Amino acid sequence: DTAVSQTPKYLVTQMGNDKSIKCEQNLGHDTMYWYKQDSKKFLKIMFSYNNKELIINETVPNRFSPKSPDKAHLNLHINSLELGDSAVYFCASSPSLAGVKDTQYFGPGTRLTVL
Amino acid sequence: AQKITQTQPGMFVQEKEAVTLDCTYDTSDPSYGLFWYKQPSSGEMIFLIYQGSYDQQNATEGRYSLNFQKARKSANLVISASQLGDSAMYFCAMTIMNTGFQKLVFGTGTRLLVSP
Repeated sequence: DTAVSQTPKYLVTQMGNDKSIKCEQNLGHDTMYWYKQDSKKFLKIMFSYNNKELIINETVPNRFSPKSPDKAHLNLHINSLELGDSAVYFCASSPSLAGVKDTQYFGPGTRLTVL
Repeated sequence: AQKITQTQPGMFVQEKEAVTLDCTYDTSDPSYGLFWYKQPSSGEMIFLIYQGSYDQQNATEGRYSLNFQKARKSANLVISASQLGDSAMYFCAMTIMNTGFQKLVFGTGTRLLVSP
């Protein structure tokens, strides 16, 4: 039973295209996140959602638009892809948004390559 | 600024030996959480261990223990009896409260290589 799942695992596309990454969690958590891991392995938060509501947007370009149809799903749509968007994107979830103790559990990651 | 620092880009250890991965943090919040994650070559992020800022005892999870020294703002990960499967990137992270909401801030990671 996968706790946090993402599809696809790999995504190769041309500059200028639009693509989506899907994320689902079956942990019953209220909060979900998107992180970007760059080529130097640095992980940085992009967005967080709590019960379908956007909470944190870390100055991510408008080309990135997260959507949460329900609290178990958080999708990431990227418009007009650029070379610099190439990275590994991780989805994560945690029980709540306001607990410093709450562990975030990560999905397997989606490796996006923009050509 | 709230920050996590991992000063060891790479570490080597022989199988069955213990190894310590360093992590220092900077925050002015009295309440925070410290986490370690493992990222093997397959890419997934695996949660290893958690330490709360108010916890009196160091956290332990099997072969993993967290050496928490609050006054020095350090949260080093100790892996005992290293195994070949421990070869991976290890990330230290801290939860900070951003306008009332939790945010996880990561260090730059340490690559551990376990040799036979």
